[in-house]
Amino acid sequence: EIVLTQSPGTLSLSPGERATLSCRASQSVSSSYLAWYQQKPGQAPRLLIYGASSRATGIPDSFSGSGSGTDFTLTISRLEPEDFAVYYCQQYGSSPRTFGPGTKVDIK
Amino acid sequence: QVQLVQSGAEVKKPGASVKVSCKASGYTFTGYYMHWVRQAPGQGLEWMGWINPNSGGTNYEQNFQGRVTMTRDMSITTAYMELSRLRSDDTAVYYCARVGSPWLVDGPFDYWGQGTLVTVSS
Repeated sequence: EIVLTQSPGTLSLSPGERATLSCRASQSVSSSYLAWYQQKPGQAPRLLIYGASSRATGIPDSFSGSGSGTDFTLTISRLEPEDFAVYYCQQYGSSPRTFGPGTKVDIK
Repeated sequence: QVQLVQSGAEVKKPGASVKVSCKASGYTFTGYYMHWVRQAPGQGLEWMGWINPNSGGTNYEQNFQGRVTMTRDMSITTAYMELSRLRSDDTAVYYCARVGSPWLVDGPFDYWGQGTLVTVSS
Protein backbone atom coordinates (compact mmCIF):
# COMPACT_ATOMS: atom_id res chain seq x y z
CA GLU A 1 0.00 0.00 0.00
CA ILE A 2 1.25 3.48 -0.88
CA VAL A 3 1.13 5.73 2.17
CA LEU A 4 0.77 9.45 1.48
CA THR A 5 2.06 12.02 3.95
CA GLN A 6 0.98 15.64 3.70
CA SER A 7 2.69 18.64 5.21
CA PRO A 8 2.15 20.87 6.93
CA GLY A 9 -0.89 19.69 8.83
CA THR A 10 -2.18 23.24 9.06
CA LEU A 11 -1.14 26.29 7.07
CA SER A 12 -2.18 29.68 8.46
CA LEU A 13 -2.05 32.38 5.81
CA SER A 14 -3.71 35.65 4.85
CA PRO A 15 -5.75 36.29 1.71
CA GLY A 16 -3.46 37.20 -1.15
CA GLU A 17 -0.59 35.08 0.11
CA ARG A 18 0.91 32.06 -1.65
CA ALA A 19 0.25 28.56 -0.30
CA THR A 20 2.55 25.61 -0.90
CA LEU A 21 1.30 22.18 0.13
CA SER A 22 3.37 19.01 0.05
CA CYS A 23 2.41 15.38 -0.54
CA ARG A 24 5.04 12.67 -0.18
CA ALA A 25 4.47 9.03 -1.14
CA SER A 26 6.06 5.98 0.51
CA GLN A 27 6.86 4.62 -2.95
CA SER A 28 6.77 5.94 -6.46
CA VAL A 29 3.33 6.85 -7.80
CA SER A 30 3.00 5.24 -11.21
CA SER A 31 2.48 7.50 -14.20
CA SER A 32 2.04 10.45 -11.87
CA TYR A 33 -1.44 9.23 -11.03
CA LEU A 34 -1.73 11.81 -8.29
CA ALA A 35 -4.75 14.04 -7.68
CA TRP A 36 -5.54 16.93 -5.36
CA TYR A 37 -8.96 17.65 -3.88
CA GLN A 38 -10.39 20.57 -1.95
CA GLN A 39 -12.99 19.99 0.74
CA LYS A 40 -15.01 22.57 2.62
CA PRO A 41 -17.05 21.81 5.76
CA GLY A 42 -20.20 19.85 5.00
CA GLN A 43 -19.30 19.40 1.35
CA ALA A 44 -17.98 16.58 -0.79
CA PRO A 45 -14.40 16.83 -2.04
CA ARG A 46 -13.84 18.72 -5.29
CA LEU A 47 -11.26 17.66 -7.85
CA LEU A 48 -8.61 20.32 -8.45
CA ILE A 49 -5.63 18.61 -10.07
CA TYR A 50 -5.09 15.23 -11.71
CA GLY A 51 -2.09 13.58 -13.31
CA ALA A 52 -0.02 15.58 -10.82
CA SER A 53 -0.24 18.80 -12.84
CA SER A 54 -3.40 19.01 -14.96
CA ARG A 55 -6.15 21.31 -13.74
CA ALA A 56 -9.67 19.91 -13.65
CA THR A 57 -12.46 21.62 -15.54
CA GLY A 58 -13.34 25.01 -14.11
CA ILE A 59 -10.40 25.25 -11.73
CA PRO A 60 -8.73 28.67 -11.80
CA ASP A 61 -5.12 28.95 -12.87
CA SER A 62 -4.19 30.15 -9.39
CA PHE A 63 -4.06 26.42 -8.58
CA SER A 64 -1.11 24.46 -9.93
CA GLY A 65 0.35 21.04 -9.28
CA SER A 66 3.83 19.69 -9.80
CA GLY A 67 6.04 16.76 -8.95
CA SER A 68 6.66 13.16 -9.86
CA GLY A 69 7.79 9.92 -8.32
CA THR A 70 7.33 10.38 -4.58
CA ASP A 71 7.19 14.16 -4.14
CA PHE A 72 4.29 16.33 -5.20
CA THR A 73 3.26 19.91 -4.56
CA LEU A 74 0.04 21.90 -4.79
CA THR A 75 0.53 25.64 -5.07
CA ILE A 76 -2.14 28.29 -4.70
CA SER A 77 -0.52 31.41 -6.10
CA ARG A 78 -2.76 33.94 -4.39
CA LEU A 79 -5.27 32.87 -1.77
CA GLU A 80 -8.84 34.00 -2.21
CA PRO A 81 -11.31 33.89 0.72
CA GLU A 82 -13.00 30.83 -0.80
CA ASP A 83 -9.71 28.89 -0.92
CA PHE A 84 -9.56 28.36 2.84
CA ALA A 85 -10.36 24.67 3.15
CA VAL A 86 -8.80 21.24 3.62
CA TYR A 87 -6.75 19.80 0.76
CA TYR A 88 -6.17 16.10 0.17
CA CYS A 89 -3.82 14.32 -2.20
CA GLN A 90 -4.74 10.92 -3.60
CA GLN A 91 -2.87 8.33 -5.61
CA TYR A 92 -4.90 6.26 -8.06
CA GLY A 93 -2.13 4.31 -9.74
CA SER A 94 -2.16 1.27 -7.51
CA SER A 95 -4.54 -0.56 -5.27
CA PRO A 96 -5.62 0.28 -2.70
CA ARG A 97 -6.16 3.85 -3.77
CA THR A 98 -5.03 5.98 -0.89
CA PHE A 99 -5.49 9.53 0.35
CA GLY A 100 -3.20 11.69 2.39
CA PRO A 101 -4.38 12.92 5.82
CA GLY A 102 -5.00 16.42 4.51
CA THR A 103 -3.64 19.94 4.95
CA LYS A 104 -5.93 22.55 6.43
CA VAL A 105 -5.42 26.05 5.04
CA ASP A 106 -6.92 28.51 7.46
CA ILE A 107 -7.05 32.27 7.80
CA LYS A 108 -4.23 33.83 9.79
CA GLN B 1 -25.21 18.01 -16.20
CA VAL B 2 -23.68 15.14 -14.30
CA GLN B 3 -25.28 14.49 -10.92
CA LEU B 4 -24.83 11.84 -8.27
CA VAL B 5 -27.61 11.97 -5.70
CA GLN B 6 -27.33 9.77 -2.64
CA SER B 7 -29.92 8.46 -0.23
CA GLY B 8 -30.57 10.06 3.12
CA ALA B 9 -28.96 9.70 6.51
CA GLU B 10 -29.27 6.42 8.38
CA VAL B 11 -29.06 5.40 12.03
CA LYS B 12 -28.26 1.76 12.65
CA LYS B 13 -27.52 -0.45 15.62
CA PRO B 14 -24.26 -2.38 15.92
CA GLY B 15 -24.44 -5.63 13.99
CA ALA B 16 -27.00 -4.33 11.50
CA SER B 17 -26.51 -3.61 7.80
CA VAL B 18 -26.94 -0.43 5.79
CA LYS B 19 -27.47 0.06 2.07
CA VAL B 20 -26.66 3.44 0.53
CA SER B 21 -27.81 4.35 -2.96
CA CYS B 22 -26.25 6.68 -5.52
CA LYS B 23 -28.52 7.80 -8.37
CA ALA B 24 -26.55 8.90 -11.43
CA SER B 25 -27.84 11.21 -14.15
CA GLY B 26 -26.52 13.38 -16.96
CA TYR B 27 -24.14 10.82 -18.46
CA THR B 28 -23.94 7.22 -19.67
CA PHE B 29 -24.10 5.32 -16.39
CA THR B 30 -22.52 2.14 -17.74
CA GLY B 31 -19.51 3.94 -19.15
CA TYR B 32 -17.85 5.10 -15.96
CA TYR B 33 -16.57 3.17 -12.96
CA MET B 34 -18.02 4.17 -9.62
CA HIS B 35 -15.96 4.19 -6.43
CA TRP B 36 -17.03 4.51 -2.81
CA VAL B 37 -15.15 6.56 -0.23
CA ARG B 38 -15.98 7.18 3.40
CA GLN B 39 -15.03 9.85 5.93
CA ALA B 40 -15.36 9.40 9.68
CA PRO B 41 -16.28 12.55 11.64
CA GLY B 42 -13.38 14.98 11.64
CA GLN B 43 -11.16 12.49 9.81
CA GLY B 44 -9.72 11.97 6.35
CA LEU B 45 -10.91 10.07 3.30
CA GLU B 46 -10.86 6.26 3.11
CA TRP B 47 -11.29 4.38 -0.17
CA MET B 48 -13.63 1.37 -0.01
CA GLY B 49 -13.76 -0.10 -3.50
CA TRP B 50 -15.29 0.17 -6.94
CA ILE B 51 -17.96 -1.24 -9.17
CA ASN B 52 -18.05 -1.46 -12.95
CA PRO B 53 -21.65 -0.43 -13.70
CA ASN B 54 -21.48 -2.13 -17.08
CA SER B 55 -20.46 -5.62 -15.98
CA GLY B 56 -21.22 -5.46 -12.27
CA GLY B 57 -17.63 -6.43 -11.51
CA THR B 58 -16.28 -5.21 -8.20
CA ASN B 59 -13.08 -4.76 -6.26
CA TYR B 60 -13.03 -4.09 -2.53
CA GLU B 61 -10.38 -2.69 -0.25
CA GLN B 62 -9.03 -5.52 1.86
CA ASN B 63 -10.21 -4.00 5.15
CA PHE B 64 -13.81 -4.22 3.95
CA GLN B 65 -13.66 -7.66 2.34
CA GLY B 66 -16.48 -9.84 3.56
CA ARG B 67 -18.53 -6.92 4.88
CA VAL B 68 -19.11 -4.71 1.84
CA THR B 69 -21.14 -5.43 -1.27
CA MET B 70 -21.37 -3.03 -4.20
CA THR B 71 -24.12 -3.52 -6.74
CA ARG B 72 -25.94 -1.55 -9.42
CA ASP B 73 -29.28 -1.40 -11.16
CA MET B 74 -28.73 -0.28 -14.74
CA SER B 75 -32.46 0.22 -15.35
CA ILE B 76 -32.52 3.10 -12.86
CA THR B 77 -28.85 4.15 -13.20
CA THR B 78 -28.21 3.62 -9.51
CA ALA B 79 -25.24 2.21 -7.66
CA TYR B 80 -25.47 0.75 -4.18
CA MET B 81 -23.06 0.11 -1.33
CA GLU B 82 -24.12 -2.24 1.43
CA LEU B 83 -22.05 -2.59 4.60
CA SER B 84 -22.89 -5.36 7.05
CA ARG B 85 -22.02 -6.19 10.65
CA LEU B 86 -21.82 -2.52 11.45
CA ARG B 87 -19.62 -1.29 14.29
CA SER B 88 -19.47 2.07 15.99
CA ASP B 89 -16.32 2.93 14.05
CA ASP B 90 -18.28 2.60 10.79
CA THR B 91 -19.97 5.89 11.69
CA ALA B 92 -19.03 8.09 8.76
CA VAL B 93 -20.19 9.98 5.71
CA TYR B 94 -20.21 7.64 2.72
CA TYR B 95 -19.62 9.07 -0.76
CA CYS B 96 -19.98 7.65 -4.24
CA ALA B 97 -17.52 9.13 -6.72
CA ARG B 98 -17.22 8.73 -10.49
CA VAL B 99 -13.96 8.12 -12.30
CA GLY B 100 -13.48 10.97 -14.75
CA SER B 101 -12.58 8.94 -17.83
CA PRO B 102 -14.87 6.45 -19.56
CA TRP B 103 -14.08 2.74 -19.34
CA LEU B 104 -11.10 3.27 -17.03
CA VAL B 105 -11.12 1.64 -13.62
CA ASP B 106 -8.60 4.15 -12.33
CA GLY B 107 -8.61 7.86 -12.59
CA PRO B 108 -9.36 10.98 -10.63
CA PHE B 109 -12.84 11.30 -9.18
CA ASP B 110 -14.46 14.14 -11.06
CA TYR B 111 -17.98 13.97 -9.62
CA TRP B 112 -19.01 13.06 -6.10
CA GLY B 113 -22.33 12.42 -4.45
CA GLN B 114 -23.38 14.74 -1.66
CA GLY B 115 -22.60 12.11 0.95
CA THR B 116 -24.73 9.95 3.24
CA LEU B 117 -24.19 10.05 6.99
CA VAL B 118 -24.42 6.62 8.56
CA THR B 119 -24.49 6.63 12.35
CA VAL B 120 -23.96 3.38 14.21
CA SER B 121 -25.13 3.58 17.80
CA SER B 122 -26.83 1.37 20.32
